[in-house]
Amino acid sequence: QKEVEQNSGPLSVPEGAIASLNCTYSDRGSQSFFWYRQYSGKSPELIMFIYSNGDKEDGRFTAQLNKASQYVSLLIRDSQPSDSATYLCAVKRWNTGNQFYFGTGTSLTVIP
Amino acid sequence: DVKVTQSSRYLVKRTGEKVFLECVQDMDHENMFWYRQDPGLGLRLIYFSYDVKMKEKGDIPEGYSVSREKKERFSLILESASTNQTSMYLCASGTQWDRPSRNTDTQYFGPGTRLTVL
Repeated sequence: QKEVEQNSGPLSVPEGAIASLNCTYSDRGSQSFFWYRQYSGKSPELIMFIYSNGDKEDGRFTAQLNKASQYVSLLIRDSQPSDSATYLCAVKRWNTGNQFYFGTGTSLTVIP
Repeated sequence: DVKVTQSSRYLVKRTGEKVFLECVQDMDHENMFWYRQDPGLGLRLIYFSYDVKMKEKGDIPEGYSVSREKKERFSLILESASTNQTSMYLCASGTQWDRPSRNTDTQYFGPGTRLTVL
């Protein structure tokens, strides 16, 4: 079983819609959860992180965490063509020091 | 802003050559990481280091070695390059952490080196 699983997509949404990206993780000891955005040919950049159950909002982005279900999601409101990218979910566990575990990413296309 | 730089954006080498990829960060981070990224396989950890002269194997260390002589610099070495090491190589850095906090508990990536081994 993979540490972190994401649907590879591609996910297509029209401009202005809400894009919903999902991620599940296997280890209940996971404590920190991150969403990175990666444009084609570029390196990942951090867009959101969440540690506690519930929702966390930052501008058009909302991260949602449900530790009981081992599920983390990213919602992008008012999607823009510039949001078209691959979104990587990452998880960090206390008992493995500073190692991150990444999903394989979900490709998002926002159609104008 | 955190800055992580890598020595080359694109590199072409021949099979059997020894290849050095260098990564430098300017934020005094304790931890540094080397990943490779391949289509369909995502980011895979090769090696990481949590202190000068310290190193830990990641998920795919075979065929690679690392060196960390100074805190800001972490080098990845391909001892004898092979065609299956053609990939995008990404360096990242981050701080040690004892509890989550916004500014410290994450990894910052360099721009990547696309290595082609012929």
